Amino acid sequence: QVQLQESGPGLVKPSETLSLTCAVSGVGISTHYWTWIRQSPGKGLEWIGYIHYSGTTNSHPSLKSRVTTSVDSSRNQFSLKMTSVTTADTAIYYCARGSHSDRGSYYDYWGQGTLVTVSS
Amino acid sequence: QFVLTQPPSVSGAPGQRVTISCTGSRSNIGAGYDVHWYQQFPGRAPKLLIYGNINRPSGVPDRFSGSKSGTSASLAITGLQTEDEADYYCQAHDNSLSALYVFGTGTKVTVL
Repeated sequence: QVQLQESGPGLVKPSETLSLTCAVSGVGISTHYWTWIRQSPGKGLEWIGYIHYSGTTNSHPSLKSRVTTSVDSSRNQFSLKMTSVTTADTAIYYCARGSHSDRGSYYDYWGQGTLVTVSS
Repeated sequence: QFVLTQPPSVSGAPGQRVTISCTGSRSNIGAGYDVHWYQQFPGRAPKLLIYGNINRPSGVPDRFSGSKSGTSASLAITGLQTEDEADYYCQAHDNSLSALYVFGTGTKVTVL
């Protein structure tokens, strides 16, 4: 049974760095595209970016300069770092498993989500 | 930010059929990329409902069906049930500079 679990601080100060980790169980992290998606309070879903075990990464153009994703295969987990956060980055952050084809990816397993509030 | 447009809300009585549209463009749905659908209950993570335009993951009732044509896609719920009241999002790849993967604006389904 595939399970994903986000962890990290729930409160981050403006201009600081948001750091989240997603622990994966039930499947090895050496397959699929491991993805971060967020949802601002009461709003829709926004794709942040992904990382593949091979090291391939990509991220939303509007966030690319602030986002770094990494994978730790020894711990079967992957991480997100977002620098210089503002209140606009307040959201529920989800990690998800992406199943990829040449016609795009879909997300078949999701973490429960973790609320990150940016506030001083 | 959102390049896939959905109606904000749809409603229907139990047993009725409702459809949710997802309108895109030539850089996403119209470019031949697959459309996927998610169901989200309040306070819960989204759940994959339809993938690859028409496919249901194991465990998803067959009253949910998807279709795609041109630059649009649709999710149909046939035989609406009270437990179907939730938010629904479409999602696809986009080859413009806006983003690699985009979600729809979301639709709230209300069971009357």
